[in-house]
Amino acid sequence: QKEVEQNSGPLSVPEGAIASLNCTYSDRGSQSFFWYRQYSGKSPELIMSIYSNGDKEDGRFTAQLNKASQYVSLLIRDSQPSDSATYLCAVNMAGAGSYQLTFGKGTKLSVIP
Amino acid sequence: GAGVSQSPRYKVAKRGQDVALRCDPISGHVSLFWYQQALGQGPEFLTYFQNEAQLDKSGLPSDRFFAERPEGSVSTLKIQRTQQEDSAVYLCASSFSRLDTIYFGEGSWLTVV
Repeated sequence: QKEVEQNSGPLSVPEGAIASLNCTYSDRGSQSFFWYRQYSGKSPELIMSIYSNGDKEDGRFTAQLNKASQYVSLLIRDSQPSDSATYLCAVNMAGAGSYQLTFGKGTKLSVIP
Repeated sequence: GAGVSQSPRYKVAKRGQDVALRCDPISGHVSLFWYQQALGQGPEFLTYFQNEAQLDKSGLPSDRFFAERPEGSVSTLKIQRTQQEDSAVYLCASSFSRLDTIYFGEGSWLTVV
């Protein structure tokens, strides 16, 4: 079964620190990778997408992809209390159709003021 | 409207009751998706529409689940003879095309008692 694995947390970091969120996936042929942020009771919101090996930076967020290790991560620099949310890793699995996303269970991040 | 709109936001159904959940996607979005999110889990794919055509219904958990999008805009997810395991948040999402960013609605929270 094609899977996406995340540590459910909670991950607690102090305000201003770097939060590191990790995700592994089982399908080696996966092509597209996404990080969604979901506040409690709200819908998932796309914050980063990454398609090729290496790093991709957008403001305080950096996504890192290593296809050989089947690993994708999200770094949040200068963490703020408003970053406290559940972060969902989503993967477009090969063969699932380029539209279908497989999500991990999410990692709950808590930024402590 | 500016985003994906779903109704009702909250629904309590007695076991065995039929329910209908409505999704109004972002105007002009061709692709429409339904996902199911159980408590503490990531969203799981249910079905995909391109305009009015239902191209993939592989994620629908049983024949009690039925989705339609007759005019290629508003979609309805119908669940017949609801059971307790159907309790979840049902997320609708849309995108301009199947390769574009997917925007999620706030979800319809279904509780079956």
